[in-house]
Amino acid sequence: AQSVAQPEDQVNVAEGNPLTVKCTYSVSGNPYLFWYVQYPNRGLQFLLKYITGDNLVKGSYGFEAEFNKSQTSFHLKKPSALVSDSALYFCAVRDLGSGGSYIPTFGRGTSLIVHP
Amino acid sequence: DSGVTQTPKHLITATGQRVTLRCSPRSGDLSVYWYQQSLDQGLQFLIQYYNGEERAKGNILERFSAQQFPDLHSELNLSSLELGDSALYFCASSDLGRRHGYTFGSGTRLTVV
Repeated sequence: AQSVAQPEDQVNVAEGNPLTVKCTYSVSGNPYLFWYVQYPNRGLQFLLKYITGDNLVKGSYGFEAEFNKSQTSFHLKKPSALVSDSALYFCAVRDLGSGGSYIPTFGRGTSLIVHP
Repeated sequence: DSGVTQTPKHLITATGQRVTLRCSPRSGDLSVYWYQQSLDQGLQFLIQYYNGEERAKGNILERFSAQQFPDLHSELNLSSLELGDSALYFCASSDLGRRHGYTFGSGTRLTVV
């Protein structure tokens, strides 16, 4: 089974400071990794994905993520946080489920709070 | 608007009842996934359909069932409801994640009283 862990339930950062939301994964083969954001009472919105290629992936709203194979990590980063970035962030790994399908498995989520 | 439509947005029902949640996938997506989101369990995969056929099952209770129709919309049926079934139920669609990842609807909030 493949899994993803988000070690922090909550991350607090001041507006204008860089932010990092951590994610580690466990897969048997090559990982397909994703980050999603969820605002209150909304569905999950796709931010970015890593499948292959450059280890630094750029996504929506100025976010980027760094894939590190040796550390099995896929941390989400942003150089300068905004108050409007405050939301719940989910890391996901694509899993090979039964029947030959690909099922994204999600971490438990990290609440990002950006203080003015 | 993500392109994935879920109805209803909110549902309040009593224990023991049965409800049906509906999902229309993003145009062109053949695959539909159902997830349950609760505070204590996080986002749990329930079941996946691809072009009308069941493809994968996750932590779905026997009281729950789903189907995908020829027009690709999907329904999740929850029966003999218990208080613990109260949660947000999300539907996502994809082209198997090759291009745009997985697109989520805004969810159905189910409250069992």
